[in-house]
Amino acid sequence: SQQGEEDPQALSIQEGENATMNCSYKTSINNLQWYRQNSGRGLVHLILIRSNEREKHSGRLRVTLDTSKKSSSLLITASRAADTASYFCATRQEGRRALTFGSGTRLQVQP
Amino acid sequence: DAGVIQSPRHEVTEMGQEVTLRCKPISGHDYLFWYRQTMMRGLELLIYFNNNVPIDDSGMPEDRFSAKMPNASFSTLKIQPSEPRDSAVYFCASSAGTAYGYTFGSGTRLTVV
Repeated sequence: SQQGEEDPQALSIQEGENATMNCSYKTSINNLQWYRQNSGRGLVHLILIRSNEREKHSGRLRVTLDTSKKSSSLLITASRAADTASYFCATRQEGRRALTFGSGTRLQVQP
Repeated sequence: DAGVIQSPRHEVTEMGQEVTLRCKPISGHDYLFWYRQTMMRGLELLIYFNNNVPIDDSGMPEDRFSAKMPNASFSTLKIQPSEPRDSAVYFCASSAGTAYGYTFGSGTRLTVV
């Protein structure tokens, strides 16, 4: 099974609302990353949080990491229609150099 | 930098034919990854290279798949012979190191009929 599992699988909100996506993983990690994928496109790196960090911000994005619970969350504040995409968490497990991707959350922001 | 460049963007081929996917990573990136994305299995790592050397190919489905990186600016993923179950979007990504994020290409959508 995949290392990271996102929750929910799909999320629909109104423009201006906040969107929260969660990711759980199974094994110890070095870092956790979030990516966005627009339909028919490649993935775009959003933010990286290291295992010794608890929270990180980038513009309207806020990521938290709880290594004791093996979970992370991505918060998008004041969402826009352009935020409509799939969002993936990816983990770099200890002892490995490649990322393992979760199954993704499909976010729909209604204008 | 133009980013990670993949070609072709779309490929339709008949079962049994050879397919070659190409990737040009970002200059200076030491790592190159090949992933496959399907609805059923999500994003799967096929193989990755570090400094042009294959490090982990345990994700390559079977002997029909092979990958090369003859130099720092070019990699290929070859499927011979292709089968309908190989239909997927194949992504190439590069990275400056394990503490950095990946830059993905736009992908190659492969359809085997």
